[in-house]
Amino acid sequence: NAGVTQTPKFQVLKTGQSMTLQCAQDMNHEYMSWYRQDPGMGLRLIHYSVGAGITDQGEVPNGYNVSRSTTEDFPLRLLSAAPSQTSVYFCASSYSLFGEGGELFFGEGSRLTVL
Amino acid sequence: AQSVAQPEDQVNVAEGNPLTVKCTYSVSGNPYLFWYVQYPNRGLQFLLKYITGDNLVKGSYGFEAEFNKSQTSFHLKKPSALVSDSALYFCAVRDMRVRTRQLTFGSGTQLTVLP
Repeated sequence: NAGVTQTPKFQVLKTGQSMTLQCAQDMNHEYMSWYRQDPGMGLRLIHYSVGAGITDQGEVPNGYNVSRSTTEDFPLRLLSAAPSQTSVYFCASSYSLFGEGGELFFGEGSRLTVL
Repeated sequence: AQSVAQPEDQVNVAEGNPLTVKCTYSVSGNPYLFWYVQYPNRGLQFLLKYITGDNLVKGSYGFEAEFNKSQTSFHLKKPSALVSDSALYFCAVRDMRVRTRQLTFGSGTQLTVLP
């Protein structure tokens, strides 16, 4: 059972570079999301998707893009990296956004450092 | 707006003693409430949730949580702590009334169980 798989686990970027964090899930979940985790701030939602072809912004979307061409994949793109984007990024999925299936399944995280 | 507060950044407890990790929330409607645990360098793992029904919810690894509507609290408890329970714990809330409202996480509480 792979669950939610994120790559890469670690990445160092220079300011202004772009990159894509990959996320894939094999549980046929409709809902997928990206969070960033910063010390003392908990997890903040960046973008989410409720199904293929549907994405929406979360709490902190600036500087990030997403797309959802398949149910399985939900990549997060950093357009022009800034030091403020240094963080640990988590992808999460859920069978449904509401009701009994609403708990999230998380990937192992991607630690990004922007110099 | 919905919010969640974890008033203690750090909780220390001796092995074998009961533990409590506090969480209070604010929503306009009725809440969905969740607890997640994060071990070092790992993603978050679901522990338990409250949707409706009994105010005492039982979850994984012997943890339970008590929903108190009048105090807007959802404290995590365990009767006898283990050293292996040492981890970062997150409370999260979603407002049932607003279908598009996403999950809001607290800032986390570091639990250390001392041998």
